[in-house]
Amino acid sequence: GESVGLHLPTLSVQEGDNSIINCAYSNSASDYFIWYKQESGKGPQFIIDIRSNMDKRQGQRVTVLLNKTVKHLSLQIAATQPGDSAVYFCAERGGLDMRFGAGTRLTVKP
Amino acid sequence: GAGVSQSPSNKVTEKGKDVELRCDPISGHTALYWYRQSLGQGLEFLIYFQGNSAPDKSGLPSDRFSAERTGGSVSTLTIQRTQQEDSAVYLCASSPESNGFPNRGETQYFGPGTRLLVL
Repeated sequence: GESVGLHLPTLSVQEGDNSIINCAYSNSASDYFIWYKQESGKGPQFIIDIRSNMDKRQGQRVTVLLNKTVKHLSLQIAATQPGDSAVYFCAERGGLDMRFGAGTRLTVKP
Repeated sequence: GAGVSQSPSNKVTEKGKDVELRCDPISGHTALYWYRQSLGQGLEFLIYFQGNSAPDKSGLPSDRFSAERTGGSVSTLTIQRTQQEDSAVYLCASSPESNGFPNRGETQYFGPGTRLLVL
């Protein structure tokens, strides 16, 4: 879920393992969701998106799952690589507003 | 295909000084957004432009903050009489127009940000 304050949730995984990053959203009317990756010192980078009429979408090594019943979004990264180390955050659109979570810091251990 | 660019990349200023941050969106993108990102925080929406007009200024934290966009392209965010709490990364993003309506809420392409430090 979203974090408040200076300390981001962290996830540490071994290189080659799969990673799952979670996000809870609050607006049941949200109809569009995006996952962003932000590497240190860089702006956010679009990874994958999903609309509310879907519950799963796959990209290259990434899968986004949407559970509207419990308002939960997850990002799965297959065969995590050192280059995947970054802060990942979700964004939700409800009406004309887009809200961003604070993010989760993923660290990949070699 | 250039992405969104911002300048300067880093800015250190003294409390009370004015600063101007620049954003060059992706060519042809109608919508432009300014956000602020403090350490360990999510993105804080500041202002949104549709063309040269700003239908939503609700996120500007005080009247010291202002922004303009000219020619439907470059935008500048100005902070007057900077305070230490203004220190943050200021991010700009743009998105294309679709179906004749600003694609607000759709994929936004971010610039690298300007890191502002107010001493």
